[in-house]
Amino acid sequence: GAVVSQHPSRVICKSGTSVKIECRSLDFQATTMFWYRQFPKQSLMLMATSNEGSKATYEQGVEKDKFLINHASLTLSTLTVTSAHPEDSSFYICSARVGSSYNSPLHFGNGTRLTVT
Amino acid sequence: GNSVTQMEGPVTLSEEAFLTINCTYTATGYPSLFWYVQYPGEGLQLLLKATKADDKGSNKGFEATYRKETTSFHLEKGSVQVSDSAVYFCALVKNRDDKIIFGKGTRLHILP
Repeated sequence: GAVVSQHPSRVICKSGTSVKIECRSLDFQATTMFWYRQFPKQSLMLMATSNEGSKATYEQGVEKDKFLINHASLTLSTLTVTSAHPEDSSFYICSARVGSSYNSPLHFGNGTRLTVT
Repeated sequence: GNSVTQMEGPVTLSEEAFLTINCTYTATGYPSLFWYVQYPGEGLQLLLKATKADDKGSNKGFEATYRKETTSFHLEKGSVQVSDSAVYFCALVKNRDDKIIFGKGTRLHILP
């Protein structure tokens, strides 16, 4: 079945540095990918919708300059957390839809645990 | 706006017990409905889905029926196993809308 690969699975960085998270669709092309942040007690927050070849669409309250999203190819989207701070520590998950239909299921990466010290 | 409400957890059951996790939704039109499962330390996986009223989605012994009249999509399993311990998310997507809307998730613990 469709596989979404997310890397790294865990990253620890110092406050003020930037971290890049990659999300790849391994056996399908994804014109749209979604980035989520998962908070304690498991609730998922959609951060942005990543569109291949165009600018990402950010949800209200998500800082575009802090969470840079690039979707340069049909199989790769990246999320860069710039000037990370401890409050950015979280579990970040990407996903992609297989197929063009609005109700095609999402396939998720295994997430990235970011810890900012 | 569109929303999904699911029962708060954690839900703790003994092995072989019957499971119900309630999910209700608010949406105009005819959304498609999903259940996703997240095992510890992993991303989410699709468990089952239903795209129109009265459809029943099923997978791995889990079932959920799309009830338009009660705007519900409750998840059920007749006999749970320890390996079913996970977080379960109910979700919907509206026609012609890219965004999938998730409930807050229900953590399930199954005791041996």
